[in-house]
Amino acid sequence: EVQLVESGGGLVQPGGSLRLSCAASGFTFSSYDMHWVRQATGKGLEWVSAIGTAGDTYYPGSVKGRFTISRENAKNSLYLQMNSLRAGDTAVYYCARERKGYPKAFDIWGQGTMVTVSS
Amino acid sequence: EIVMTQSPATLSVSPGERATLSCRASQSVSSNLAWYQQKPGQAPRLLIYGASTRATGIPARFSGSGSGTEFTLTISSLQSEDFAVYYCQQYNNWPPEYTFGQGTKLEIK
Repeated sequence: EVQLVESGGGLVQPGGSLRLSCAASGFTFSSYDMHWVRQATGKGLEWVSAIGTAGDTYYPGSVKGRFTISRENAKNSLYLQMNSLRAGDTAVYYCARERKGYPKAFDIWGQGTMVTVSS
Repeated sequence: EIVMTQSPATLSVSPGERATLSCRASQSVSSNLAWYQQKPGQAPRLLIYGASTRATGIPARFSGSGSGTEFTLTISSLQSEDFAVYYCQQYNNWPPEYTFGQGTKLEIK
């Protein structure tokens, strides 16, 4: 079964750091571009980061310089290192697989992990 | 940054009827448009990609159309399990950018 399972969420103080993990199974992880997407409670979806199969990374302006996406293909794992966290970063964080080729879309999603930034 | 605007914010439709959801891009995204369904407490599920191609396992009652800046998701005969929130998403090749609309909540009338 193709599956993504996130972990590492929790409560962190403003200015703190947190590292999220996403374990992939059921597919050749190294062959796919991967993403993180977040969703604040009751709000819409926001793309947070992307990493290509060659390790190239991309971010929107809202998290650039604070968040770092990485992957470890030998462990079928995706990571999101989040630094200088703010209240506005509070959300459920999903990892998602991008389908191969074009057109692009996120075809597999994990169940999400909750991050709460509060003092 | 490309802004995606979905309308209406909430759509009330009776089971068995047709639902039409709209998504507009602030500039042309060609056919680089996907639709997702999200139910409460669940992750989003891919429905449509490339503006009009159904994802694996998606019923034929779901269809997508449009290109450029105007897109439509149509559900031909609503089933009880279709009541959910629907998001459109565009992707830009360079720089890579993936923007979601704010969502349309499809509720039972």
